[in-house]
Amino acid sequence: DSGVTQTPKHLITATGQRVTLRCSPRSGDLSVYWYQQSLDQGLQFLIQYYNGEERAKGNILERFSAQQFPDLHSELNLSSLELGDSALYFCASNLNHETGSSYNEQFFGPGTRLTVL
Amino acid sequence: EDKVVQSPLSLVVHEGDTVTLNCSYEVTNFRSLLWYKQEKKAPTFLFMLTSSGIEKKSGRLSSILDKKELFSILNITATQTGDSAIYLCAVTGGADGLTFGKGTHLIIQP
Repeated sequence: DSGVTQTPKHLITATGQRVTLRCSPRSGDLSVYWYQQSLDQGLQFLIQYYNGEERAKGNILERFSAQQFPDLHSELNLSSLELGDSALYFCASNLNHETGSSYNEQFFGPGTRLTVL
Repeated sequence: EDKVVQSPLSLVVHEGDTVTLNCSYEVTNFRSLLWYKQEKKAPTFLFMLTSSGIEKKSGRLSSILDKKELFSILNITATQTGDSAIYLCAVTGGADGLTFGKGTHLIIQP
């Protein structure tokens, strides 16, 4: 158990809908990262938040957005869902401080499996 | 664009065999290379490598980085069925997110 929690575990929805995925980082971690894992693309970095602010963006679609709240939990919002958005969505966290020992190592949550029908 | 290529994509061996997994990368401002093991759930951290030529070891697993040739290998000796998993290689570079390879699917047959 990494200490990172994600809800829900599974989500099935229809095309065109909107969903929200939730992540709570490990206690003390300031950075949250979102990843999408699909069979053909592998694990793809989407976006990072650090202490409430967006820090880095990867291959995130405009239909997707995220935020990190004052209590450091994060939400990933996916809208106008398409069949191709079906994937495992992972959240990871770390301290991400220049002098922190876990600067690069990221701890992954169990993931949310999204199925778009 | 940062790029990580892993080989082989899939590997089937018998219990007790030794395997070597490869990871090559192209990344701007390389900082570190990480290995993760993914079974039916989240990736779990194995190693982080930042310096060339220094072997990291944990039990039957070991890994080394070559920053000149831009690759890393992960060795598993005396394999066991519990080693069956997808092994992921990732690098950190210009952005804070990890750039992952597509993984090596390792199957250990009894």
